[in-house]
Order: sequence, then C-alpha cells, then structure tokens
Amino acid sequence: EIVLTQSPGTLSLSPGERATLSCRARQSVSSNYLAWYQQKPGQAPRLLIYGASSRATGIPDRFSGSGSGTDFTLTISRLEPEDFAVYYCQQYGSSPYTFGQGTKLEIK
Amino acid sequence: QVQLQESGPGLVKPSETLSLTCTVSGGSISSYFWNWIRQPPGKGLEWIGYIHYRGGTNYNPSLKSRVTISVDTSKNQFSLRLSSVTAADTAVYYCAAGGSGVTYWGQGTLVTVSS
Repeated sequence: EIVLTQSPGTLSLSPGERATLSCRARQSVSSNYLAWYQQKPGQAPRLLIYGASSRATGIPDRFSGSGSGTDFTLTISRLEPEDFAVYYCQQYGSSPYTFGQGTKLEIK
Repeated sequence: QVQLQESGPGLVKPSETLSLTCTVSGGSISSYFWNWIRQPPGKGLEWIGYIHYRGGTNYNPSLKSRVTISVDTSKNQFSLRLSSVTAADTAVYYCAAGGSGVTYWGQGTLVTVSS
C-alpha cells in the first residue's frame, strides 16, 4: 500500500497569508491520481483538487495543486477565514486508496 | 447534484455485523464508483472499499475478510456490511461517490461498537 505523509502536522498562519501543504508518497502515485480534501469540524470532507492539479467544481482559484510522482503540494494563495480546517491528501491510483494523516491549518 | 444519505444502527455489539445503507438521490447509481470511507473519532480517514454499479468491487485488504459492499440499482442504494466488529470499528462512516477523487459525500453516521 502507498503510505502518504503530510507535513507539517499543524500550520499556524494569519488570514491573507499564503499556505503551502505537502504530501509525500513512499512510492510513485500512478498517473498522478492524487486528490486534496478540506474537512471542517462536524462536516464531511470536500474535494478540492483531483489529478494532482485540477480544481473540483466550485473551488475558488486561490486553491491550487501541483506535483507529480511522489511529491505533491496544495497551495492556498491568500487565506480566507473559512479556509482554516484540516486538509487531507488521498491517492487513488493504486488499491488500497490511502489518505495522508492530515494537516491542520489554524489561525495564528 | 448527487446527494447521499447513510442510514443504519448507531450502536452495534462486539462480534456482531455492522450494516449501513446509502440512498442516492439527484443522480443515477449507474454512474461513478460508490465508496465507503470511515473516520474514527478524532482521527483520519480510512477507505473501506467501493462498488461499481455493475457489481465490481474493490476492498481495502486490511478489512477485506470482513467487508461486503453491495448495490441495489432498483432502489438507488448501496450497502456496507462489516462482520465481527470490535471497538476499533467505532467511527463515522461515510458513503461517497466519485471517479477522479471522491466528489460527493454523505453527512456521515456515527457507529459505536459497544455492549
């Protein structure tokens, strides 16, 4: 199984700042089938990015994904108050589909 | 817009079978891959498996011996059965749908395993 490691575990930033979240895979993710999700307390996750860099429907363009192979990044260009949440990466190129452990983005 | 709703018991006794159903509205079950994903309280996400409307399944090997996912296209529903549950199976269970990533999610249902 492909293990995904997200860093940092917690990221403390202020609204208006830029956030950079990392997701590293122990082995190459097939066809860059890598997704990013946002989860707020008490809510289901929401798909932000699929295919490593494609924004899902309705996702603001301040969210962008990049990377390939084993190293992937989610960037939020200018943080809005509603962006503070937990973010997960997931690979869906090889079964079992695995998630990273999450990065908590908190207000500084 | 596809909407998903989980239903089933919120409390299951150890060694028994957890059974959940997901009802799909706003779209046909003859599309997408239909997933079950769970999240223990305060922890991360774990993919359990999926079923395609034609019946093909793919399970997480860590759960494969205990999991069955089935689909009822006539009712626009799919279901999860997890046998021989223990306290470690206590989690919020989500039904979810997608092809490239998981696009649609149910609200989740908490299932507690306890006597």
